[in-house]
Amino acid sequence: KAGVTQTPRYLIKTRGQQVTLSCSPISGHRSVSWYQQTPGQGLQFLFEYFSETQRNKGNFPGRFSGRQFSNSRSEMNVSTLELGDSALYLCASRPRLVYTADTQYFGPGTRLTVL
Amino acid sequence: GQQLNQSPQSMFIQEGEDVSMNCTSSSIFNTWLWYKQEPGEGPVLLIALYKAGELTSNGRLTAQFGITRKDSFLNISASIPSDVGIYFCAVPGSSNTGKLIFGQGTTLQVKP
Repeated sequence: KAGVTQTPRYLIKTRGQQVTLSCSPISGHRSVSWYQQTPGQGLQFLFEYFSETQRNKGNFPGRFSGRQFSNSRSEMNVSTLELGDSALYLCASRPRLVYTADTQYFGPGTRLTVL
Repeated sequence: GQQLNQSPQSMFIQEGEDVSMNCTSSSIFNTWLWYKQEPGEGPVLLIALYKAGELTSNGRLTAQFGITRKDSFLNISASIPSDVGIYFCAVPGSSNTGKLIFGQGTTLQVKP
């Protein structure tokens, strides 16, 4: 069974640009969560989608947005990039809305560098 | 907001040594999780704890859910080079959500 896949794995952008990251969950998983990982702030929750609806949102500015498609694939978008947006962006998928730790799996992440 | 204080921040040990790390919070949680992250990968769940006082093992790893429900400990016995990575404690932010609150992580390096 394939794991969570994220594309691209690496990305370099300049300030002011926008970026779209993609996450394909494990087959049959309907919930996707996104996290930002930085050396200073650690792992922070961005948002969660289930059945194409945003269910939960972290404390990030409106420049960070996401969506989920009918096949459960998810994208996140960051507009007007800032240097501080440089981070590893991780997504995690699980099969149901009800959370159980042992059914949630993380992808390898997309490393975004903003110059 | 809710925060987890994880220590130590980093450890550099000799192969074969035992390792201990812990995580504390000012809030009570009903689930404590321990993850490991290796370079270029996302976090992988090592152990999940669901009951205060619970002691759970996974091979050479042992984790405990503190009786106060405000802390948890992870021990690694007889460390080996492949134990290298970042270890995170985490708790669910709320029920029925994939939101996890993570500790700052403990970076473990093992000298052969």
